Amino acid sequence: SYELTQPPSVSVSPGQTARITCSGDALPKKYAYWYQQKSGQAPVVVIHEDSKRPSGIPERFSGSSSGTMATLTISGAQVEDEADYYCYSTDSSGNHGVFGGGTKLTVL
Amino acid sequence: EVQLVESGGGLVKPGGSLRLSCAASGFTFSNYSMNWVRQAPGKGLEWVSFISYSSSYIYYADSVKGRFTISRDNAKKSLYLQMNSLRAEDTAVYYCARDTPPFNIAVLGTDYWGQGTLVTVSS
Repeated sequence: SYELTQPPSVSVSPGQTARITCSGDALPKKYAYWYQQKSGQAPVVVIHEDSKRPSGIPERFSGSSSGTMATLTISGAQVEDEADYYCYSTDSSGNHGVFGGGTKLTVL
Repeated sequence: EVQLVESGGGLVKPGGSLRLSCAASGFTFSNYSMNWVRQAPGKGLEWVSFISYSSSYIYYADSVKGRFTISRDNAKKSLYLQMNSLRAEDTAVYYCARDTPPFNIAVLGTDYWGQGTLVTVSS
């Protein structure tokens, strides 16, 4: 079955840039979405269709995709950005959704 | 304001059944495909199932295929998940999530999520 691979954890100091990667064979042809999940809360989309930022999401969140890798970048990470981040995409058929394993972002 | 409210979770014995519901408001429900996504305690997110806006296209994760059935009632603005032959590994918070953009017939991506309903499968 199709898989998306993320690093388990990323750690940065406040104000630094955090980058979270997501790799998958179908990413050259399928959009990546990024979700932020804080403890005890439902996930919130922070990036859709590789690089589009929904209204209400701070500008420090950006996304990109090249080849088999999608990247979520948080420029000037804040303490309130500490959360689990999941990438999401679909397999090449478009019949199955797939989440990456999640990345725990620590900002301290 | 888009709202998705799940209900129907609870404690059920292995082999039992449960039906989850998701009530939608704040958007034209009949225009949007929908998904169920679950999250086991302390674990990551797992996509479960997709149903297109007109119910013509339905997909399941391999882990639930043959046991779960997704359906919708556009007149009632509601999404459902009938879960049969439940196993301990089905224990999770179940979220309904709106797929985007409208009128898509393939799994693409979700924008709005509900707060989830907890399903516990245990004897």
